[in-house]
Amino acid sequence: EAGVTQFPSHSVIEKGQTVTLRCDPISGHDNLYWYRRVMGKEIKFLLHFVKESKQDESGMPNNRFLAERTGGTYSTLKVQPAELEDSGVYFCASSQAAGGRSEQFFGPGTRLTVL
Amino acid sequence: AQKITQTQPGMFVQEKEAVTLDCTYDTSDPSYGLFWYKQPSSGEMIFLIYQGSYDQQNATEGRYSLNFQKARKSANLVISASQLGDSAMYFCAMREVSYSGGYNKLIFGAGTRLAVHP
Repeated sequence: EAGVTQFPSHSVIEKGQTVTLRCDPISGHDNLYWYRRVMGKEIKFLLHFVKESKQDESGMPNNRFLAERTGGTYSTLKVQPAELEDSGVYFCASSQAAGGRSEQFFGPGTRLTVL
Repeated sequence: AQKITQTQPGMFVQEKEAVTLDCTYDTSDPSYGLFWYKQPSSGEMIFLIYQGSYDQQNATEGRYSLNFQKARKSANLVISASQLGDSAMYFCAMREVSYSGGYNKLIFGAGTRLAVHP
C-alpha cells in the first residue's frame, strides 16, 4: 500500500511568487491534515479536511494560504504571494479515522524556500 | 492552552544501551492522546507509539516503551537496546479528543535529536 506522497519534495521561489503544494493521502483515508515546521520551530497544525470539507482550519496563518481538497482525494496548499517567513517544511498527513488511537500517517514533506 | 515540552534538544547514547527522551504536556482536557514520532534524516515522520489518557498500562511497542506519569503530566519515551538506526529526531505530540470527534489536530514539541554512537 502506498503511503502519503507529497509533491514537490523541494521548492525554491522568490518572494511574491505563488507556489502550490500537493498531497496524495493513503487511499481510503477520509482525514487529511496539513502541518508545517518553520525555522526549526515546532511542527504546527494548519488544517484538517474530512473528505472535501474543512473540519478545522484554525492553524492557517493568514489569507495568503489556501487549501483545497476537491473530490475528497488529493489536496493542494497554495501560498500566494509567498513571503520569506513561509520558508519551512510542509507536511501532509492522513488517517482513516479521526480521534482516539487513530494514527496519522505523514508524508515526507515539501521543503519550501522563499528567497 | 495545550502545550508539549521537550527539554532535551540533543541526546546521545552508546549502542545497545537504553535512553529516555523526556516529554511533558499541559492540557485541561481529561481525554487526550500522546504520540511519539521519529524523523530520520530522510525526512519522513514515522509513528512509534501511542498512549491514551485513560490507558491503565504504559504503552509498549517492541523496543519502545512509554513511561506515562499522568499526575506529573509526563510521557517519556524509553528506547531499549539502542541501535545505530535509531539516530534521528524524535517528536512528542498530543491530540485532544473532542466528544463530537471533530477535534483532531496534533500539537508537537520542539523535538529531541538522538545520536547513537557505536
